Amino acid sequence: DQQVKQNSPSLSVQEGRISILNCDYTNSMFDYFLWYKKYPAEGPTFLISISSIKDKNEDGRFTVFLNKSAKHLSLHIVPSQPGDSAVYFCAASKGYSTLTFGKGTMLLVSP
Amino acid sequence: DAGVTQSPTHLIKTRGQQVTLRCSPKSGHDTVSWYQQALGQGPQFIFQYYEEEERQRGNFPDRFSGHQFPNYSSELNVNALLLGDSALYLCASSFGLSPPEQYFGPGTRLTVT
Repeated sequence: DQQVKQNSPSLSVQEGRISILNCDYTNSMFDYFLWYKKYPAEGPTFLISISSIKDKNEDGRFTVFLNKSAKHLSLHIVPSQPGDSAVYFCAASKGYSTLTFGKGTMLLVSP
Repeated sequence: DAGVTQSPTHLIKTRGQQVTLRCSPKSGHDTVSWYQQALGQGPQFIFQYYEEEERQRGNFPDRFSGHQFPNYSSELNVNALLLGDSALYLCASSFGLSPPEQYFGPGTRLTVT
């Protein structure tokens, strides 16, 4: 039973445009959500997080939106850059516990 | 400032053998978590160590065991290896048991033949 779902295995975007990566979850007990970026041959790198008491968090070009009623979150990257090309993982935790990850979405940003 | 380090980078073992993977946490971190990432999947939580004790465990059999040392470094041991244990094993560190932001090492690629 997959509690965190990333239904798009891949996404292609042109440089300078917006990238929107989506994530759905089923466990209503999750109260903290994170996005990680992973390059080949490297471990996941923490990108941005959001608590369930908020609906938006921004950090530079990255913004995460949380819709609790829909159990949905999204990561917006504006503007997208070729260096953003990587696999993006959505993760969730409950009570600051361990992380439950989705399967990831591969983002390709073309020049 | 050294990040999370893991050794070895790659490992090839035969079915039925035992393996030990090692992890040194990021400087200042005292909590270590281990994850298994199979091909095409997201990382899956194995267990977490804090103050040299296993604090939480995911849905993995007892063949998977671990240890944390006084210097906060950690080992993951897998006994009686199965072909299905082939995966990337990731170590992540954090300070205390919260917040959940964890910092990952590059992983150890284990291949079981």
